[in-house]
This record gives sequence, C-alpha cells and structure tokens, in this order.
Amino acid sequence: SQTIHQWPATLVQPVGSPLSLECTVEGTSNPNLYWYRQAAGRGLQLLFYSVGIGQISSEVPQNLSASRPQDRQFILSSKKLLLSDSGFYLCASDRDLDNSPLHFGNGTRLTVT
Amino acid sequence: ELKVEQNPLFLSMQEGKNYTIYCNYSTTSDRLYWYRQDPGKSLESLFVLLSNGAVKQEGRLMASLDTKARLSTLHITAAVHDLSATYFCAVDQTKLVFGKGTKLTVNP
Repeated sequence: SQTIHQWPATLVQPVGSPLSLECTVEGTSNPNLYWYRQAAGRGLQLLFYSVGIGQISSEVPQNLSASRPQDRQFILSSKKLLLSDSGFYLCASDRDLDNSPLHFGNGTRLTVT
Repeated sequence: ELKVEQNPLFLSMQEGKNYTIYCNYSTTSDRLYWYRQDPGKSLESLFVLLSNGAVKQEGRLMASLDTKARLSTLHITAAVHDLSATYFCAVDQTKLVFGKGTKLTVNP
C-alpha cells in the first residue's frame, strides 16, 4: 500500500517569506498527486493536481505554485506568503487504474504571522 | 459545476443513540467516498461506494449510495465517544469534490 510523506509537520512563517512544502509517495508508481488546503474549521479546497511529471493543473488562482520534478514528488511553493495562506496543507495521491480512495499525508500546519 | 452538500454541519448526540448524516450532490456520479478526520489530523478513508444501491458497513457506521437521488447517507448506530470526529463525503467527477464536513460530538 502507498505511504505519503509530508514535511514539515508544522511551520510558522512571516508574511512575505517564501514557502516550500514537499510531498513524496512510496509504494505506487505513476500516481495522481494533489495539494489540498483546509482553513480552520472549514472544508477541503483543491489547490493543484498533477497526473504526471511536469504536468500541473491549478484549481484556484493565488500566489501559490506547484511542481512535480519526479514521478513521486510534489512540491508546493510560494515566493511571498500572505496571511490568508495560513491553513492545513494536505498532499494526496491516487491512481487512475482503480476506484481506490485518495490517500492523504499527515499534513503540514502553516501559520503565517 | 459539481456541488456537494452535507447536513448537518454540526451534530451533538448522546452515546447509544442513532443518527444519520446526509450528503447530497448536484451532478451525476457513481463514485462517492466517506472520510473521517480527527482534530488536528489528516483524513482517513472510511468507505468507497461505487454503484447505485451500494451499502458498506464497518462497526457502528453504515454508508449507502442512491445515485438516482444523488444522495449518500452515513448512519451511526449506538454512538460511542470514539466516533467523535469530522466526517466528509466526497464525490468523484474527474476530481474529488468534498462536502464541508459534519462535526460529530458524542457525549457520554
């Protein structure tokens, strides 16, 4: 079964600073990869998804970006954080070949101060 | 655009009682998922429902899917405190769209 690693687990960053969150997946190949954000007390918002290396689709216009430099690596970045970027960021993975559910990493809790 | 609505959003119930959480969605889909999230934690998959009339049960939770009504239910039987969590349904239409979640609190 697949395992999703996210780091760091928690992060406190000042407004205007850069961001890099990393997600790696084990136990599967050619996964679809996703970045979700969950604001405090709210549902999940899909930010980016990727069906392959270098292929990124953005769901919401914002100051965040994503990259997929390797098959099982997905990176979320920002050049300058905003207060509104605070939230719980979740990386998720699935495969097109079956109807298995999304598997989620443990998440990164980002606080922008 | 697919919309997924859950109700109630907040549910406080006593141990031993039964209750149902509802998940309605706006466009045709035959794949629906239920997840559980504990406070401060990630999401854990509970059920995968893939066809009309599908019913899955695990312990005190039972999920069903009616694709014609575009409705899924998550039924809780004889609730216990350990079931306190937020429950999300998610509907698959190219990408998963999540409901806002139902925060369940089970009181002794």
